[in-house]
Amino acid sequence: GAVVSQHPSRVICKSGTSVKIECRSLDFQATTMFWYRQFPKQSLMLMATSNEGSKATYEQGVEKDKFLINHASLTLSTLTVTSAHPEDSSFYICSARDRRGAGNTEAFFGQGTRLTVV
Amino acid sequence: AQSVTQLGSHVSVSEGALVLLRCNYSSSVPPYLFWYVQYPNQGLQLLLKYTSAATLVKGINGFEAEFKKSETSFHLTKPSAHMSDAAEYFCAVRVNGGYQKVTFGTGTKLQVIP
Repeated sequence: GAVVSQHPSRVICKSGTSVKIECRSLDFQATTMFWYRQFPKQSLMLMATSNEGSKATYEQGVEKDKFLINHASLTLSTLTVTSAHPEDSSFYICSARDRRGAGNTEAFFGQGTRLTVV
Repeated sequence: AQSVTQLGSHVSVSEGALVLLRCNYSSSVPPYLFWYVQYPNQGLQLLLKYTSAATLVKGINGFEAEFKKSETSFHLTKPSAHMSDAAEYFCAVRVNGGYQKVTFGTGTKLQVIP
């Protein structure tokens, strides 16, 4: 299957700093990428849909100014957690679908980023 | 709106026993349904998917699921559990149109007892 690479896999940052997470589709182009957040022992909650060349679409309750998303190319989307606080500590996962895929193709997931804000 | 409900946040089975993880969906249009597995601190791996073709879907690692429209269910089964099957399993639904975002269930943690 297609590969989605997410970097870094783990990051620890100080409260008040910003952290950037990258999501790359390695062997396909993705017009749309998705960013999820997963709290311990909970399911994945969609944060936003990232669209190449346009603004991201955020889910209700997600602060767009805090979670900045940039989808500058068909293979790269970034999520920047600005002014991070301990409550932002979580597992962040991205996914992407091949732009050439038919409607029945699945999204491929990155390996996730464990963010710890201290 | 689309949603999935997973019954049972924790399921324990003995090694070699049948695995049954339940998932019911809600969708106003024909859905695509997925089962994913997640190991600790890792991303999600697709086990299988239903895309309106055969109602009995076979996936990797011996798992399969049956789409039952009358019951709005998509339960995941495996005839004989293996220790390596211990993980978190997520049922998910997606409908066509829009950005085709995926909605996940709350997950079921499978424990395999030796």
